[in-house]
Amino acid sequence: QVQLVESGGGLVKPGESLRLSCAASGFTFSDYYMSWIRQAPGKGPEWVSYISTSSHYTSFADSVKGRFTISRDNAKNSLYLQMNRLRAEDTAVYYCARDVGAAATRRAFDIWGRGTMVTVSS
Amino acid sequence: QSALTQPASVSGSPGQSITISCTGTSSDVGGYNYVSWYQQHPDKAPKLLIYDVINRPSGVSNRFSGSKSGNTASLTISGLHAEDEADYYCSSYTSRSTDVVFGGGTKLTVL
Repeated sequence: QVQLVESGGGLVKPGESLRLSCAASGFTFSDYYMSWIRQAPGKGPEWVSYISTSSHYTSFADSVKGRFTISRDNAKNSLYLQMNRLRAEDTAVYYCARDVGAAATRRAFDIWGRGTMVTVSS
Repeated sequence: QSALTQPASVSGSPGQSITISCTGTSSDVGGYNYVSWYQQHPDKAPKLLIYDVINRPSGVSNRFSGSKSGNTASLTISGLHAEDEADYYCSSYTSRSTDVVFGGGTKLTVL
């Protein structure tokens, strides 16, 4: 079945780095824009970043611009989020999500993983 | 403070209809038809209910419908069921530097 599984979360100190991964299955990964969306404890979702099907286009939320990078490996059906210079306010569950529109982003997300928790604390 | 404004809570009885509003600006909700709605139960990932203002993904009940007027989008749930009790979030494309913004969420209580 269609599935996204995130990994790589954990506890890190402010200023450190972390790389999240997302393994996709059950659909043609290379046909879809993909996004990372995070949700801090007790808060609503916050979109973080998206990447186009062939990695030509990326976009980031202002809150992570210059610190996070997004990438994908279509041969491995995998999505990545490299997070540098982490801050306490980056603490959240990070979800990998598929865009509802194939080949173009509609800024809507129809498939979500279960998330991976990132905690930034000294 | 979220970019899109939603009421903190709404409530209704089983069988009734409720509407949740989502107010933005001409830079997001009012200017584009990229408005989406999500349902989230505790400790679960959000579930897409509506995209492009009015479209339902396959498998989503037709009790959920979306609309937009000016800078305000709305989600209507008809024939409330107990399992509709959840948090609901709207989102929209924004022409500001952050590409996608979410609302602060609305907690629906089914009485």
